[in-house]
Amino acid sequence: SQQGEEDPQALSIQEGENATMNCSYKTSINNLQWYRQNSGRGLVHLILIRSNEREKHSGRLRVTLDTSKKSSSLLITASRAADTASYFCATDDSGGSNYKLTFGKGTLLTVNP
Amino acid sequence: DAGITQSPRHKVTETGTPVTLRCHQTENHRYMYWYRQDPGHGLRLIHYSYGVKDTDKGEVSDGYSVSRSKTEDFLLTLESATSSQTSVYFCAIGRGRGLSTEAFFGQGTRLTVV
Repeated sequence: SQQGEEDPQALSIQEGENATMNCSYKTSINNLQWYRQNSGRGLVHLILIRSNEREKHSGRLRVTLDTSKKSSSLLITASRAADTASYFCATDDSGGSNYKLTFGKGTLLTVNP
Repeated sequence: DAGITQSPRHKVTETGTPVTLRCHQTENHRYMYWYRQDPGHGLRLIHYSYGVKDTDKGEVSDGYSVSRSKTEDFLLTLESATSSQTSVYFCAIGRGRGLSTEAFFGQGTRLTVV
């Protein structure tokens, strides 16, 4: 079964609003990553947070990690129509291979102009 | 551009035929992956490789085999294609840095099994 599970499955907001997506996972990890996929394209890496970090920022992105709850959230502030895409979390496995990356089912974000 | 090329980009094949998808990288990375993407299932790992001739199964490996005889090429073979293998297949390379590995994806191969 997949390691990460994002929720919600779909999110629709207005331009300028903030978007929050969540990811839950099952096993202990070294890192958690978030990726973005525009329709029909390959995934693109957004941000990585290590298991000993609680929060990380990159531009309009803010990621939090709670290893006790095995969950992470991705916040996109001041969203733009160009942020419309699917967002995936990816985890490794600290008990196995840190290079074995598994992805969740994704959250489809639609930002309406 | 992470230097990943998938071929073919589109393929239609008949049930029961073998199919091979190719992933080629130009950056000499050690880790390579094959995923399939289906509506409602997100991205699922089929097989991955951690070096030449070193491969392992992912979560949906049944009906698939892989080979990596050179660092730059990772081949995915559907031994006898079935309609359930109709999907979009993504190859990725992993750039390792300490305990983290960042994935870079190819553009995908859309495979239809009729």
